[in-house]
Amino acid sequence: GESVGLHLPTLSVQEGDNSIINCAYSNSASDYFIWYKQESGKGPQFIIDIRSNMDKRQGQRVTVLLNKTVKHLSLQIAATQPGDSAVYFCAEFGVGQGAQKLVFGQGTRLTINP
Amino acid sequence: DTGVSQNPRHKITKRGQNVTFRCDPISEHNRLYWYRQTLGQGPEFLTYFQNEAQLEKSRLLSDRFSAERPKGSFSTLEIQRTEQGDSAMYLCASSHAGIETQYFGPGTRLLVL
Repeated sequence: GESVGLHLPTLSVQEGDNSIINCAYSNSASDYFIWYKQESGKGPQFIIDIRSNMDKRQGQRVTVLLNKTVKHLSLQIAATQPGDSAVYFCAEFGVGQGAQKLVFGQGTRLTINP
Repeated sequence: DTGVSQNPRHKITKRGQNVTFRCDPISEHNRLYWYRQTLGQGPEFLTYFQNEAQLEKSRLLSDRFSAERPKGSFSTLEIQRTEQGDSAMYLCASSHAGIETQYFGPGTRLLVL
């Protein structure tokens, strides 16, 4: 299959370990953020979202942390599985002019080692 | 399957030819978005519709690109006189108006030779 993100930052973790993927966003006025997972040859898949009035949100095996002071998001994946191998993108929802578009970060390739 | 669908999944064309892609959004979603993704990058916004109205276009959308959503359901993205630089994955997403979460389709991979 095709490869998404040949020169992305990479993170390799052992199966069963926890992983943390980081993202810096650009607009301090953004008030909504989403993490997407993208497998090779597929479109981005919604994982979890968070609003700017929160600093933490938990889902099933995933947690998103938001630090508005330094414009930083992180995605924590607990007990990683082989199926977690993918490229992960954070996206911020634009504000002001062009408010309806998502602005994506660079992406991180996560590889799970058996 | 009630997700966003896109056709074709892959398209190879020669430079100078016209191509058209189709997107069928999630049925109850009235907003539809087009993004372009090149290797090593995140998706970049091209344009979006609310119902049949095209409300925003990116500067990335040159005159050779046109998008339509005539009945407020499916949308088409046409590229005229394709160039090698148009080679990319073209992604479609949809959402409810007033809800920011966008759900993506599988994309159409375009290769211009």
